[in-house]
Amino acid sequence: GAVVSQHPSWVICKSGTSVKIECRSLDFQATTMFWYRQFPKQSLMLMATSNEGSKATYEQGVEKDKFLINHASLTLSTLTVTSAHPEDSSFYICSARVLAGGIRDTQYFGPGTRLTVL
Amino acid sequence: QLLEQSPQFLSIQEGENLTVYCNSSSVFSSLQWYRQEPGEGPVLLIALYKAGELTSNGRLTAQFGITRKDSFLNISASIPSDVGIYFCAGQGTQGGSEKLVFGKGTKLTVNP
Repeated sequence: GAVVSQHPSWVICKSGTSVKIECRSLDFQATTMFWYRQFPKQSLMLMATSNEGSKATYEQGVEKDKFLINHASLTLSTLTVTSAHPEDSSFYICSARVLAGGIRDTQYFGPGTRLTVL
Repeated sequence: QLLEQSPQFLSIQEGENLTVYCNSSSVFSSLQWYRQEPGEGPVLLIALYKAGELTSNGRLTAQFGITRKDSFLNISASIPSDVGIYFCAGQGTQGGSEKLVFGKGTKLTVNP
């Protein structure tokens, strides 16, 4: 199957600093990538849809100025958490969309990034 | 669009079979089953695209309902490494249909 990587796998930062998380599709090109947030013992919550070369589409309630998304190439999307606060601590997961022709549209997920804001 | 997943928790003995269910009042263009282990991202197990489609992946079997509103995932002869949280995820048919809607997950424990 398609492989998606994330970097870093975990990060600890001080309140007020910014953190960048990278999501890469390693063996395929992804015109669309997605960013999710997951709280302990909960399901995945979609934050935004990232399309290569255009602005990301954010879900309702997600602050676009706080969670900056850039999809500069067909294999890389980045999520920057700006002026991070303890409540931003969470598990962030990206996914990349694979189009296999017709309706066979599948998402493959990265391993996630654990963000802890002190 | 909501996906109701059941059961929420499942504890079984090694070697037993189990089934997880997913249903909705909405129609989905595809339905995917993922497994997630602690501290990891979800891993795709089975993807279903056609109404009534029945697909197997080793000991895993899943079917997409005829109405495209429901699905089940069956795991046979469970082993301890099957533990994790199983999610169903449906892809919508409306605008923005590339989004996945996730169920709340089923936490599986397999007792040796």
